[in-house]
Amino acid sequence: QTVVTQEPSFSVSPGGTVTLTCGLSSGSVSASSYPSWYQQTPGQAPRTLIYRTNIRSSGVPDRFSGSILGSKAALTITGAQADDESYYYCVLYVGGDIWVFGGGTKLTVL
Amino acid sequence: QVHLVESGGGVVQPGGSLRLYCAASGFSFGDSGMHWVRQAPGKGLEWVAFIQYFGDIKTHADSVRGRFTISRDNSKNTLYLQMNSLRPEDTALYYCARDGGGYDLDHWGQGTLVTVSS
Repeated sequence: QTVVTQEPSFSVSPGGTVTLTCGLSSGSVSASSYPSWYQQTPGQAPRTLIYRTNIRSSGVPDRFSGSILGSKAALTITGAQADDESYYYCVLYVGGDIWVFGGGTKLTVL
Repeated sequence: QVHLVESGGGVVQPGGSLRLYCAASGFSFGDSGMHWVRQAPGKGLEWVAFIQYFGDIKTHADSVRGRFTISRDNSKNTLYLQMNSLRPEDTALYYCARDGGGYDLDHWGQGTLVTVSS
């Protein structure tokens, strides 16, 4: 069974930079995992931030960027703002029209 | 403007069945793959099922395979999730989401709540 790993929590100072990662319990994340990233605030539906590793969804500020770092997908927030405090989820395509979400990262801006 | 509205949630006893609906508008539904994703109370997102635009390819997560079935009616712009043999651990907010074509889920509904409890 494929498990997608994310840091349970992270904190960043306002104006700072943070990189959240998304890995596989066995194996490496690559572009063919088509990693995408979602932001969710409590009580709201998820919002798509990044797809196909590094393509920003419409309307997403350019302080959000995606990449592959080593064996993991990464979401970097540059110049974090207070309203970036949220939950962040990645999802990986594992083949055969199957997707797996990571457990999510709770980002605190303080 | 893409609009997805889920309905059909409610309270059901363990072992029972429920059918969820997702009404789509604002885009060419018949040209889009669709997903169901769920979120248990206080937990993260879990991918549940995917259906390709013609409905000929359907996939389900291991946790629901054999109990849940995704389907669609392109003439009604509606996505379905038939849920049978429900368990307490199926209690969650169920979202439908459009497949963005880039192996992503690009638009989401607001969800419908399913509670499995005796």
